[in-house]
Amino acid sequence: DAGITQSPRHKVTETGTPVTLRCHQTENHRYMYWYRQDPGHGLRLIHYSYGVKDTDKGEVSDGYSVSRSKTEDFLLTLESATSSQTSVYFCAISEQGLSGLAFFGQGTRLTVV
Amino acid sequence: GESVGLHLPTLSVQEGDNSIINCAYSNSASDYFIWYKQESGKGPQFIIDIRSNMDKRQGQRVTVLLNKTVKHLSLQIAATQPGDSAVYFCAVNTGGFKTIFGAGTRLFVKA
Repeated sequence: DAGITQSPRHKVTETGTPVTLRCHQTENHRYMYWYRQDPGHGLRLIHYSYGVKDTDKGEVSDGYSVSRSKTEDFLLTLESATSSQTSVYFCAISEQGLSGLAFFGQGTRLTVV
Repeated sequence: GESVGLHLPTLSVQEGDNSIINCAYSNSASDYFIWYKQESGKGPQFIIDIRSNMDKRQGQRVTVLLNKTVKHLSLQIAATQPGDSAVYFCAVNTGGFKTIFGAGTRLFVKA
C-alpha cells in the first residue's frame, strides 16, 4: 500500500477521551490527508497537510486536530471523542496535491462507546 | 452543493462478463477523475484515472470513459473475475484540494 502505515488498526475508546491516530509514510510525499469513511457516504476529508507544520481543514474538521512535525508522520487527534466519530479513518498521501493521484493506507477502525 | 453519485449501490455480474460502473458529477469545472477499488477491510486502491482533456483511457482490462457534456464517468471491466469483487468508487477533483468521492458501487461476481 505505497509505504503507508496506520496505527492502531483498531481501537475502542470511551466518550470524552482523547484519541490519536498515526500515519507514517516511507514515500517522502509532500501531501498527507486524513479521511473518514462512513456507510452511505463517500470518503470525507478531515484535514490535510502540504508540508511539515503546514496543515489545513477539510470539510469535516470539527472535533479533530492534526500535527505534522516530520515529513513522514501525520497525526490525527480527536480531542474529546464522541459517538459520532465512530468511523473508519484513512490516511492518504500524494505528490501533487489532490489534483493528482492519492494512495491510501489500510485504515483504522475507531469505535467510540 | 457539489455532488458525486453512482447510479447503482450494487451490481451483480457473471464471471467472464463485462461490468460497467457509472458515476455522475455535478461540477462542470471538474478536471481530474479517478476510479478506486476497495476490498473488504482494506484501503482504496487506485485503478485508473483520466483528465478532462481526454474522453477515454484504457488500462489492463479496465477502461474509463468520460462524457463531459452530461457530466458522466464510467468504469468498464472486461472479462470480470471473482477477484474483481469489491466496492468501486469514483473521485472527482475540481482543482486544489477539492476532491469529492462517490459512495461506491459494490460489485458481486457470480461464478
